[in-house]
Amino acid sequence: DAGVTQSPTHLIKTRGQQVTLRCSPKSGHDTVSWYQQALGQGPQFIFQYYEEEERQRGNFPDRFSGHQFPNYSSELNVNALLLGDSALYLCASSLFGGSSADTQYFGPGTRLTVL
Amino acid sequence: DAKTTQPNSMESNEEEPVHLPCNHSTISGTDYIHWYRQLPSQGPEYVIHGLTSNVNNRMASLAIAEDRKSSTLILHRATLRDAAVYYCILRGTGNQFYFGTGTSLTVIP
Repeated sequence: DAGVTQSPTHLIKTRGQQVTLRCSPKSGHDTVSWYQQALGQGPQFIFQYYEEEERQRGNFPDRFSGHQFPNYSSELNVNALLLGDSALYLCASSLFGGSSADTQYFGPGTRLTVL
Repeated sequence: DAKTTQPNSMESNEEEPVHLPCNHSTISGTDYIHWYRQLPSQGPEYVIHGLTSNVNNRMASLAIAEDRKSSTLILHRATLRDAAVYYCILRGTGNQFYFGTGTSLTVIP
């Protein structure tokens, strides 16, 4: 059983460009959450997708958008990249509507560098 | 967002027990306490979680104070592979986790 997978592993972009990151959730999970982790910091919640809709959102600008597909996989899009967007982007999967006892399973992340 | 407070860093000798503390004085009655750890260049990994009672699994034990305002993650015998950043997280309604800066554990051979 594959866990959460993310692609690509690493990515280098320049300021002003756009980027798309991809995530496949753990088998049986229907909810995908995205986090941004700056160097030396804990992960910060960006948003969560369930049933192809954004359900919850953290304090991130509209440049950050996402999508969820019928097979539950998800994409994170970031437009007009800034130097400050350089970070490790983590995807986590879980079951929506699960109790607060349910765990999230994290992927290995995509390391984005903006030059 | 319910907040947690953890020491920035701790050290332990290899094969000795490690007690990682976490304060969460604003915890609500339905918040679960989750612990995750993150090894270098990896995503966070689930360690253990609990509500009121102490919990044990193959990785660790979780001791929860009677008033639930603090908890302690216990690694019974630290190994070099346990060197990581450990996050204590409260999870209530909603599915997202709110991470703090965690405790960076160094294991000394």
